[in-house]
Amino acid sequence: QKEVEQDPGPLSVPEGAIVSLNCTYSNSAFQYFMWYRQYSRKGPELLMYTYSSGNKEDGRFTAQVDKSSKYISSFIRDSQPSDSATYLCAMRDNYGQNFVFGPGTRLSVLP
Amino acid sequence: DTGVSQDPRHKITKRGQNVTFRCDPISEHNRLYWYRQTLGQGPEFLTYFQNEAQLEKSRLLSDRFSAERPKGSFSTLEIQRTEQGDSAMYLCASSRSSATNEKLFFGSGTQLSVL
Repeated sequence: QKEVEQDPGPLSVPEGAIVSLNCTYSNSAFQYFMWYRQYSRKGPELLMYTYSSGNKEDGRFTAQVDKSSKYISSFIRDSQPSDSATYLCAMRDNYGQNFVFGPGTRLSVLP
Repeated sequence: DTGVSQDPRHKITKRGQNVTFRCDPISEHNRLYWYRQTLGQGPEFLTYFQNEAQLEKSRLLSDRFSAERPKGSFSTLEIQRTEQGDSAMYLCASSRSSATNEKLFFGSGTQLSVL
């Protein structure tokens, strides 16, 4: 079992839809959770980070962490074609310096 | 442009050759990371530096791989005697601190193809 699991997609939605992305993980020591967006042939770009459990909202993006279920999710409201990319979750514990990434979910937002 | 810069963007080499990549981090960032990413996978940790000290290396990093960060500024990643399995995107990232809200900023990567 990989440390971080993520549905690879591809996920296709119409423009304006709400997109739901999620990751599960096995290491209960993870405390710090991040979502990255990666366009083709580019490096990942940080979208949001959350520490421990709870919700966080930033514009059209919302991130949720449920540590009891070892499950994190992200929602994109009013999705746009420019949101078409691969979305990666990443996480780390308080002691290690290594950020562990999920395999990514490919998203296509159709105009 | 004050982001993370990587050079070259693309590298094609023959099996058995040595290659070297360069990363210039964001200037005030003291941490620098190297990751490798293959198609359909997330970035995989290779090694990281705090200032000029290499503090951690992945167990997956073979002896053919070596990284340096002289004077705590730019970093180089060298792969000796390349193999076809080394073909991947090599990503560099930098960050300011080791606080719990440490944020990694990535470069655009070097795409390596070993023929």
